Amino acid sequence: GENVEQHPSTLSVQEGDSAVIKCTYSDSASNYFPWYKQELGKRPQLIIDIRSNVGEKKDQRIAVTLNKTAKHFSLHITETQPEDSAVYFCAASDNQGGKLIFGQGTELSVKP
Amino acid sequence: EAQVTQNPRYLITVTGKKLTVTCSQNMNHEYMSWYRQDPGLGLRQIYYSMNVEVTDKGDVPEGYKVSRKEKRNFPLILESPSPNQTSLYFCASSAGAGYNEQFFGPGTRLTVL
Repeated sequence: GENVEQHPSTLSVQEGDSAVIKCTYSDSASNYFPWYKQELGKRPQLIIDIRSNVGEKKDQRIAVTLNKTAKHFSLHITETQPEDSAVYFCAASDNQGGKLIFGQGTELSVKP
Repeated sequence: EAQVTQNPRYLITVTGKKLTVTCSQNMNHEYMSWYRQDPGLGLRQIYYSMNVEVTDKGDVPEGYKVSRKEKRNFPLILESPSPNQTSLYFCASSAGAGYNEQFFGPGTRLTVL
């Protein structure tokens, strides 16, 4: 079955710097890769997603890149702000079935 | 207001005492799913349902049961809870599987003594 590995587990940056979180997946049939943000004590919420027919997607300060050959995808946050501090989860699914496999999570801390 | 609700939000119970965590959504979503969240392990899928009367195992289904008799409800049943089921549980729903945002409930923190 699918396995998703996420790195790093913790990441600390200064406000205004960029942050990058990386994930690798094992199942070449996976074709949908969402990213969820979970603030402390809150529920996960989708922030961006990408399909396998696209190499990059941007939404303001957030971007996701996908390398299907290497089976890895990354989340890029530019000009980080303290409110970006949260746990970020990557995930992968194959769109045909109902399984959604999450990575282990990255705790991002943005220091003012 | 479109939402996913879970009850109870907090529960402390003892080993072997059957319990049910309810999940309900008012968005007419076909897809619903249960996850457990444990430190260092991320979110792991327990069971999911593609539609009424259609359920399937996720990655960690052992010790859990689910049912989907109505579109809006997807209860999680622990017939004989054990301490290793102590966790934070999230229910989620989406318009369908695959390319669809999952909307999560507020979570249920379960402690099994």
